Amino acid sequence: AQTVTQSQPEMSVQEAETVTLSCTYDTSESNYYLFWYKQPPSRQMILVIRQEAYKQQNATENRFSVNFQKAAKSFSLKISDSQLGDTAMYFCAFMEPYVMDSNYQLIWGAGTKLIIKP
Amino acid sequence: GAGVSQSPSNKVTEKGKDVELRCDPISGHTALYWYRQSLGQGLEFLIYFQGNSAPDKSGLPSDRFSAERTGGSVSTLTIQRTQQEDSAVYLCASSLGLAGRDTQYFGPGTRLTVL
Repeated sequence: AQTVTQSQPEMSVQEAETVTLSCTYDTSESNYYLFWYKQPPSRQMILVIRQEAYKQQNATENRFSVNFQKAAKSFSLKISDSQLGDTAMYFCAFMEPYVMDSNYQLIWGAGTKLIIKP
Repeated sequence: GAGVSQSPSNKVTEKGKDVELRCDPISGHTALYWYRQSLGQGLEFLIYFQGNSAPDKSGLPSDRFSAERTGGSVSTLTIQRTQQEDSAVYLCASSLGLAGRDTQYFGPGTRLTVL
């Protein structure tokens, strides 16, 4: 069974610093999708970034980028120039690609609470 | 609507009562998901609807939980004879079509407290 592990329950950095959140996963599949979601205190789960496993290039979205190491089954999120609004829970999630009758729900890590201090 | 909406935002109920949670997905989204998030935990998959196909109920924790989706749009999650361990935030998400290819957009959730 697929599992997702986030080993950092909580992190705290100063505003404008760079922070990296770690995520590892376990799967026997060669093709899959990986996601980072952000959940601020409002509870709204927001997609930050996604990565297709067949793509070697690391995904980037403005200040957010990933370091995808397929062989190591690692998918870390880097937030550059962190801002107060980045304070939230961050969840790493995994999904197999769609095949007929497959179970295609997201598998979630336990989350990392990120606090950006002024 | 602009996003996924859920109601109520908060629900407090007594043990043994039935509750209904509502999700209104983004217009045009054929896929709809229900998740449960317990305090300090990640999300637990409950049920998945795709168009007119039979729902994937593999994540429902017991037969006290059920869900329906009327007209391929609004969905209702029903919990019968609520227990204290049902207390959690219930999140709904929708996507254009097949998960993985399409981003899941989440609603703000319903916080359920069973006394």
